Amino acid sequence: GQQVMQIPQYQHVQEGEDFTTYCNSSTTLSNIQWYKQRPGGHPVFLIQLVKSGEVKKQKRLTFQFGEAKKNSSLHITATQTTDVGTYFCAGHAGKSTFGDGTTLTVKP
Amino acid sequence: ETGVTQTPRHLVMGMTNKKSLKCEQHLGHNAMYWYKQSAKKPLELMFVYSLEERVENNSVPSRFSPECPNSSHLFLHLHTLQPEDSALYLCASSQDRSSIWDSGAKNIQYFGAGTRLSVL
Repeated sequence: GQQVMQIPQYQHVQEGEDFTTYCNSSTTLSNIQWYKQRPGGHPVFLIQLVKSGEVKKQKRLTFQFGEAKKNSSLHITATQTTDVGTYFCAGHAGKSTFGDGTTLTVKP
Repeated sequence: ETGVTQTPRHLVMGMTNKKSLKCEQHLGHNAMYWYKQSAKKPLELMFVYSLEERVENNSVPSRFSPECPNSSHLFLHLHTLQPEDSALYLCASSQDRSSIWDSGAKNIQYFGAGTRLSVL
């Protein structure tokens, strides 16, 4: 069945450092979505990538979709304490499959 | 507010109790989902409903019983739960269920705030 692997599981950074989480699918995806869950909160949709090689930016966040549409990444430049939380990718190929998430902590 | 409302927000129940979790979406969506999220664990998809029909049941114990009376409401009936069932239960909805032809925004999921369940 479809599997979506996300690494790393945890990432601790100093405020101002960059952060990247990676998502890899066992199958080719029709699209991939990224969600953020703040501590004590619920997942909130961030962005969707559809096209092969697509790159989208939201302020300090950069999202990429691989050429083969099987992997994706989320990169945060110069992390801030407001970036803390768990970032999930969700791959879609007939069904939706969430990755296990990467939990980011930021030390001020 | 995401347009998805879950009640109650917190629930404490004994192992012999029967309780129900409620989810209501005001987005006009056709698909609804139940997820379980345990401490330090990922999202576990439990059930998927599309147009009020259950289309996915991921090996969930029978002590969890879903009900979808219409496209706006989703319930999770709980009966004789175990302490390991304590978790955050999240409801979500999307315009449509994911399909292999879907490259648009129809499968973006909108989550409710969740019900924090403690089983004693």
